[in-house]
Amino acid sequence: KAGVTQTPRYLIKTRGQQVTLSCSPISGHRSVSWYQQTPGQGLQFLFEYFSETQRNKGNFPGRFSGRQFSNSRSEMNVSTLELGDSALYLCASRQEANYGYTFGSGTRLTVV
Amino acid sequence: SQELEQSPQSLIVQEGKNLTINCTSSKTLYGLYWYKQKYGEGLIFLMMLQKGGEEKSHEKITAKLDEKKQQSSLHITASQPSHAGIYLCGAAPLRAGGTSYGKLTFGQGTILTVHP
Repeated sequence: KAGVTQTPRYLIKTRGQQVTLSCSPISGHRSVSWYQQTPGQGLQFLFEYFSETQRNKGNFPGRFSGRQFSNSRSEMNVSTLELGDSALYLCASRQEANYGYTFGSGTRLTVV
Repeated sequence: SQELEQSPQSLIVQEGKNLTINCTSSKTLYGLYWYKQKYGEGLIFLMMLQKGGEEKSHEKITAKLDEKKQQSSLHITASQPSHAGIYLCGAAPLRAGGTSYGKLTFGQGTILTVHP
């Protein structure tokens, strides 16, 4: 069974641009969460989607948004990129409550 | 908000030695997750603990959750270089109705180095 797939693996963008990251969860997993990992702040929760609805949102500015499609695939978008947005963005999926989260390999975003 | 404190922040051991990593929560946990991460890569799921007093083992790694569900430990027996990496504990807050939100709060991580 395929794991959580994140694309692209690496990305370099310029300040002010926008970026879209993609996450394909494990087949059958309906919950998808996104996290940002930086050396200074560690792992921080961005948002969670379940059945195309956002169920939880972390403390990030409105420039960070996401969505989930009917096949459970999810995308997150960051607009007007800032240098501080450089990070490893991780996606995780799970079947439902009481199950473990499976993480993807992440997308390394560098903003220059 | 929920805070998770991991100790130690880093650990250097000789191959074959046992070691313990601790994770303490400021609030009662619904679920406690342990993950391992190689630098710059995704998180590898190790174990999930939900019940007070629960203990789980996989190969040479054992994780325990205390009765009050506020503290967990991860113990590695006879460490090997393959155990090296960053160990992270993550906690799911308890929601009314006894289920968890889909949001994990993570500790700052413990960097483990194992010298051959």
